[in-house]
Amino acid sequence: EPEVTQTPSHQVTQMGQEVILRCVPISNHLYFYWYRQILGQKVEFLVSFYNNEISEKSEIFDDQFSVERPDGSNFTLKIRSTKLEDSAMYFCASSEDPGTTDTQYFGPGTRLTVL
Amino acid sequence: AQSVTQLGSHVSVSEGALVLLRCNYSSSVPPYLFWYVQYPNQGLQLLLKYTSAATLVKGINGFEAEFKKSETSFHLTKPSAHMSDAAEYFCAVSDRPGGGNKLTFGTGTQLKVEL
Repeated sequence: EPEVTQTPSHQVTQMGQEVILRCVPISNHLYFYWYRQILGQKVEFLVSFYNNEISEKSEIFDDQFSVERPDGSNFTLKIRSTKLEDSAMYFCASSEDPGTTDTQYFGPGTRLTVL
Repeated sequence: AQSVTQLGSHVSVSEGALVLLRCNYSSSVPPYLFWYVQYPNQGLQLLLKYTSAATLVKGINGFEAEFKKSETSFHLTKPSAHMSDAAEYFCAVSDRPGGGNKLTFGTGTQLKVEL
């Protein structure tokens, strides 16, 4: 069964460093998302991406964050200068073209630890 | 803005007993509602979803949920718990059909199943 994959599973970085979290969505999906979950808190929406541009973003998704689909398979989340409060589990998700299904399929997550 | 509230961050049941996980939603438009499950070290897996068809929705692993508009609820049930059901369960809501729509999650309920 097709699945969303994410690498790395765990990333440790120093405050102020840049990190790139990588995701490979399901191959025929066209919508892509990033969510995050700070330990003990809700899963929160960050951004959605369609047709090579951001569809919607939350207040969390400030200028320190960016997303990119550099090729036909990868979808990345970049944090330019990490802060302690960026420590969280980051989930990537994908869904098919609208009008067919609205189910989002999630990856296993990347645990980001900022020291 | 839409939101969901999950009552009970931890629920413990005996194997073979009824599982009831509560979710109440708030939405200004007819909602789409979802239950996801997260097993340790894995991503979020869709259990079931309500998309304005039948109010009683059946999902995977014997789970079902009933949409009750009058009570703004979408509680998850399973008649007989199994040890393998131990996981964290998330209720989520979206307010637009089709892809590219953000999900708003509850805080999750950790289900423990005891012998």
